[in-house]
Amino acid sequence: GAGVSQTPSNKVTEKGKYVELRCDPISGHTALYWYRQSLGQGPEFLIYFQGTGAADDSGLPNDRFFAVRPEGSVSTLKIQRTERGDSAVYLCASSLATSGRTNEQFFGPGTRLTVL
Amino acid sequence: EDQVTQSPEALRLQEGESSSLNCSYTVSGLRGLFWYRQDPGKGPEFLFTLYSAGEEKEKERLKATLTKKESFLHITAPKPEDSATYLCAALSSASKIIFGSGTRLSIRP
Repeated sequence: GAGVSQTPSNKVTEKGKYVELRCDPISGHTALYWYRQSLGQGPEFLIYFQGTGAADDSGLPNDRFFAVRPEGSVSTLKIQRTERGDSAVYLCASSLATSGRTNEQFFGPGTRLTVL
Repeated sequence: EDQVTQSPEALRLQEGESSSLNCSYTVSGLRGLFWYRQDPGKGPEFLFTLYSAGEEKEKERLKATLTKKESFLHITAPKPEDSATYLCAALSSASKIIFGSGTRLSIRP
């Protein structure tokens, strides 16, 4: 079956512009995560959705970052007034969220964002 | 503060030379310890989840173990195709997921 997909694969923008990054999770996965990964570092948690609602957005670095998941499937990460420091690979992951033991997360290939 | 530290940062082995990667964690109320493999330009690929000290899991040439303070990823008789970055991540009781910086493993034929 299809895995997690992310579009675009690469995005180059200018400082101050607005960008949207899209994530299509695995069908039936109710949990969706966004991470940011800089070169040589592990993924850094940004936000977690359970269904349509953001269950934990404590990783969003500031109010320029916002994410939505209006129908509980596709999610969009939105970054306003981009800064050069926002350049990174943005990863999306999904999992079957159940109570009890934690299910593994399946990651997409990421969107490489470059802010000039 | 919750923290996950991986060592070494990079490891170069000869094909067939077994070794171990370390993941030390300081996490309140560990709910799960995860290992992932990441190839260049790709997202992390799930390998294992460990839930409690003493637990072990194996997959081909890889075996993951867990203690109360650290996890090891043992690689036995590695092949060049095992070259990748190996990431560990810890899930705390507050449902926070913290990744380490990874170990870049390179296997020479």
